[in-house]
Amino acid sequence: GQQVMQIPQYQHVQEGEDFTTYCNSSTTLSNIQWYKQRPGGHPVFLIQLVKSGEVKKQKRLTFQFGEAKKNSSLHITATQTTDVGTYFCAGPRGAQKLVFGQGTRLTINP
Amino acid sequence: DTAVSQTPKYLVTQMGNDKSIKCEQNLGHDTMYWYKQDSKKFLKIMFSYNNKELIINETVPNRFSPKSPDKAHLNLHINSLELGDSAVYFCASSQDTGGSNQPQHFGDGTRLSIL
Repeated sequence: GQQVMQIPQYQHVQEGEDFTTYCNSSTTLSNIQWYKQRPGGHPVFLIQLVKSGEVKKQKRLTFQFGEAKKNSSLHITATQTTDVGTYFCAGPRGAQKLVFGQGTRLTINP
Repeated sequence: DTAVSQTPKYLVTQMGNDKSIKCEQNLGHDTMYWYKQDSKKFLKIMFSYNNKELIINETVPNRFSPKSPDKAHLNLHINSLELGDSAVYFCASSQDTGGSNQPQHFGDGTRLSIL
């Protein structure tokens, strides 16, 4: 079945450094969603990308959807300690189901 | 005025016991889900209901039985708990049947520990 692979699994950065997580699908996706889960918290929806080549920004976060709609990335510029958490991408499998990537756990050295 | 609320937040119990987790959403959403998150943070769908009707039933042991008395509530009953059931269980909801095209709103999770 369709899988969503996410790398890296872990990323440790110094505060102020940039961070990127990548998501790849074996099949074309109609859309891709990104979620953030703080330590001890629950996944929180960040954004949804729908169009081929789409780029969306939320302050220091930049989300991209690949031209072939099979990959996506989340880039954080100048990380802050509030960015700590696990970032998940999720793609649809059928009309009902979201398949989540394994997540990238971001830790930050202040 | 929590959007998706689950109870209890923590559940510590002995192997072999039966337990239930409750979930309620006040967002007016039509679709609700149960996810299991293991110790490696992997999030896996278990069940989904749309307007009280079961629409997703992943390969889950039949010891797990969801129940949706109305579209705002989705409960999860687990019989004969096993050590491998230890995980965080998240309830979520989305607006309509196109669950894979809609943002999902998650509850705070129920941390289940089996002794």
